[in-house]
Amino acid sequence: DGGITQSPKYLFRKEGQNVTLSCEQNLNHDAMYWYRQDPGQGLRLIYYSQIVNDFQKGDIAEGYSVSREKKESFPLTVTSAQKNPTAFYLCASRVGTASYNEQFFGPGTRLTVL
Amino acid sequence: QKEVEQNSGPLSVPEGAIASLNCTYSDRGSQSFFWYRQYSGKSPELIMSIYSNGDKEDGRFTAQLNKASQYVSLLIRDSQPSDSATYLCAPQTGTASKLTFGTGTRLQVTL
Repeated sequence: DGGITQSPKYLFRKEGQNVTLSCEQNLNHDAMYWYRQDPGQGLRLIYYSQIVNDFQKGDIAEGYSVSREKKESFPLTVTSAQKNPTAFYLCASRVGTASYNEQFFGPGTRLTVL
Repeated sequence: QKEVEQNSGPLSVPEGAIASLNCTYSDRGSQSFFWYRQYSGKSPELIMSIYSNGDKEDGRFTAQLNKASQYVSLLIRDSQPSDSATYLCAPQTGTASKLTFGTGTRLQVTL
């Protein structure tokens, strides 16, 4: 059963804690992305990775970190430096060529800071 | 000026009617364009991709792209209550294929 999985579905964090959100795909996609969605706003890009062991900052990378040690996995750590981490976090992977490609999303993780 | 502009709605259409969703974008370097449907509390689902000027039809959905006017639209024919959702427009730019999302248009299909 191919797809993108994210865990956990809901996550609660105390202020000052680091938390790691999991994103796994078995689609053999090279590129993976992390977005954040706040109520009433569009998705904003946090980090992306086009290949294993390489990743780039997106538009709102401050307070976040990622790793890409395996093609299948692209975990996102929300650090205590992230001022307002409560949001819906979405992981995506990309299929296709440089000119013609599509991104598909996992089910998301909803993070709440208590 | 926002990079991707969409009317937030709600856009209310009766069942069976055509829903027309519009999107303008500012980055002339955008090459590919995507429409995602997002139900409340769920992740976005890709419903249409369009890469060149003109129309692209897929079932009840038609995407229209005019790069000169920096405008992309989505038509939904024979609208159904299950089409009630927020529709996100997302132009793509650069070699990393980054997407820039609008805030979405909420569509309500009424019985």
